[in-house]
Amino acid sequence: DIQMTQSPASLSASVGDRVTITCRASQSISSYLTWYQQEPGKAPKLLIYGASTLQSGVPARFSGSGSGTGFTLTISSLQPEDFATYYCQQSFTTPRTFGQGTKLEIK
Amino acid sequence: QVQLQQSGPGLVKPSQTLSLTCAISGDSVSSNSAAWNWIRQSPSRGLEWLGRTYYRSKWYNDYAESVKSRITINPDTSKNQFSLQLNSVTPEDTAVYYCARDIDFQTLDVWGKGTTVTVSS
Repeated sequence: DIQMTQSPASLSASVGDRVTITCRASQSISSYLTWYQQEPGKAPKLLIYGASTLQSGVPARFSGSGSGTGFTLTISSLQPEDFATYYCQQSFTTPRTFGQGTKLEIK
Repeated sequence: QVQLQQSGPGLVKPSQTLSLTCAISGDSVSSNSAAWNWIRQSPSRGLEWLGRTYYRSKWYNDYAESVKSRITINPDTSKNQFSLQLNSVTPEDTAVYYCARDIDFQTLDVWGKGTTVTVSS
């Protein structure tokens, strides 16, 4: 199975900050990488797929980059509604695998 | 707009079968560009993909090795839905279970709201 490793596990930041979350795959997954946002008690919500394609309706302050084994999710200017947990997931092969999550908290 | 509506019991006894259903609106379970997945989430295991069913001239299934001997995912074309059956459950199967659509084998773009399933006597 392809292992997905996110860092950091948690992050404290303030409204207006720029933050970056990293995801590494245990082998190359080309650009088959998705980022999700999950609020407590809710299902994950698709933000970015194909490593860098923004899902319709997602604010442009979210961006993704990378290919192969290294990927990043950047939020350019944090808004209050962005404090949540973020997950990466590979769709290069089955089984689909997820990172362990990065919890973004208010400083 | 595609929506997934989950249903099924929230409490299952150990050794019994967990059964959940995901009803699809706005798309077809027989779509040639979608796959229909089950994922679960628990504090100990995080987000764990369980398996999927999809139609490409015939029906296919893929399952995670961790549950392969116990899981069945079936499409129901008459009701436009798909189901999860997980046999011989133990307390380790306690989790929130989600159904989700995978579009073009690229990404899980639509999710159900989740069903909390507790395995306990």
